[in-house]
Amino acid sequence: EADIYQTPRYLVIGTGKKITLECSQTMGHDKMYWYQQDPGMELHLIHYSYGVNSTEKGDLSSESTVSRIRTEHFPLTLESARPSHTSQYLCASSPRTGLRSGANVLTFGAGSRLTVL
Amino acid sequence: AQSVTQLGSHVSVSEGALVLLRCNYSSSVPPYLFWYVQYPNQGLQLLLKYTTGATLVKGINGFEAEFKKSETSFHLTKPSAHMSDAAEYFCAVSDPDYKLSFGAGTTVTVRA
Repeated sequence: EADIYQTPRYLVIGTGKKITLECSQTMGHDKMYWYQQDPGMELHLIHYSYGVNSTEKGDLSSESTVSRIRTEHFPLTLESARPSHTSQYLCASSPRTGLRSGANVLTFGAGSRLTVL
Repeated sequence: AQSVTQLGSHVSVSEGALVLLRCNYSSSVPPYLFWYVQYPNQGLQLLLKYTTGATLVKGINGFEAEFKKSETSFHLTKPSAHMSDAAEYFCAVSDPDYKLSFGAGTTVTVRA
């Protein structure tokens, strides 16, 4: 079944540790996104990619980095986690072609909830 | 720049009552508008979308939304709430590059 998977679902980690949040999709989507979600706040776009070897920063500045070496995989890395990074991170994807085919209808993963102590 | 404002962070309704969630948008181009729903411990799912054409859009689970350009609104309604409608609902607008800007969400609770 075509889907989008995020691991880990929950992570509690100490300050200064390096973490990678994994995101994989089996739908063959070209576009992938990372959103940050905090209670009562808008979802903020922190990274996006329109294809392999393409990555861009989103509207919200983030100390995280991303890579897109394979179409299906879009991991997010924090080199040194801090308590301010505590949040839920949502990965999403969408197909590439024009709006009429649903270019910006996003399919979301279940999220990775990160807690940094 | 595109932005969305959702009026009311929490809405409580009785089972069987009307659900009305308000969304106003700001867009520099003709907007594409979306409603997503998030159930506990899950990602967001598309409820419905407006791109062009008919301004009344029907979605899944009995929800519908009406695009009103003059009011820059895209309110979400359901005539009769069900317990399973308890969730968080997000309104979103697409920018010209097809990236979505989301509102802060409205949490719906349904009273038996």
